Amino acid sequence: AQSVAQPEDQVNVAEGNPLTVKCTYSVSGNPYLFWYVQYPNRGLQFLLKYITGDNLVKGSYGFEAEFNKSQTSFHLKKPSALVSDSALYFCAVRDTTSGTYKYIFGTGTRLKVLA
Amino acid sequence: DTGVSQDPRHKITKRGQNVTFRCDPISEHNRLYWYRQTLGQGPEFLTYFQNEAQLEKSRLLSDRFSAERPKGSFSTLEIQRTEQGDSAMYLCASTLGTSGYNEQFFGPGTRLTVL
Repeated sequence: AQSVAQPEDQVNVAEGNPLTVKCTYSVSGNPYLFWYVQYPNRGLQFLLKYITGDNLVKGSYGFEAEFNKSQTSFHLKKPSALVSDSALYFCAVRDTTSGTYKYIFGTGTRLKVLA
Repeated sequence: DTGVSQDPRHKITKRGQNVTFRCDPISEHNRLYWYRQTLGQGPEFLTYFQNEAQLEKSRLLSDRFSAERPKGSFSTLEIQRTEQGDSAMYLCASTLGTSGYNEQFFGPGTRLTVL
């Protein structure tokens, strides 16, 4: 069965510092991995995805994520955090060999960037 | 605005009543998803359509829930005989293609409160 874990409910970081939001996954085959962000009173917005190829993927607003197959992780990173990055972040996975097109989301990590 | 829209944005109902939500996806998107999100949780998969065909339903979806997508355009989600446990945010998302690696575009959600 597919599953996603976001081990931290909240991450606090000072503005200008690098940030990491963690995600680990479990699938029986090869994963498609996604990060979404949710701002208050707004729908989820796509940030980036890993399908195949380079393990480091770059996305919107300066975010990037690194796919690590051996550690089954897909951590979200940004070199220099902004106060405006404060939001709720969700990792999602689809198992490409399961025959299903459903996506499993993590429970979310609230990022708080302090000025 | 050509994004995903949902109607209504908020619905308050009494236990035992039926409710229906509507989702209008991005016009060229052939795949449409419904999710439920409760406080502190990520979106939980309910069902998805490819064009007008409902291809998968979550086992969590009781027989009080039904979804349709006539003509492969807008979709409706109906909950019959609502229960307090149905209180949640109901999200709709659409995506282009059938590969399963395209990002989903989410609507703002319908918040249901069952009294």
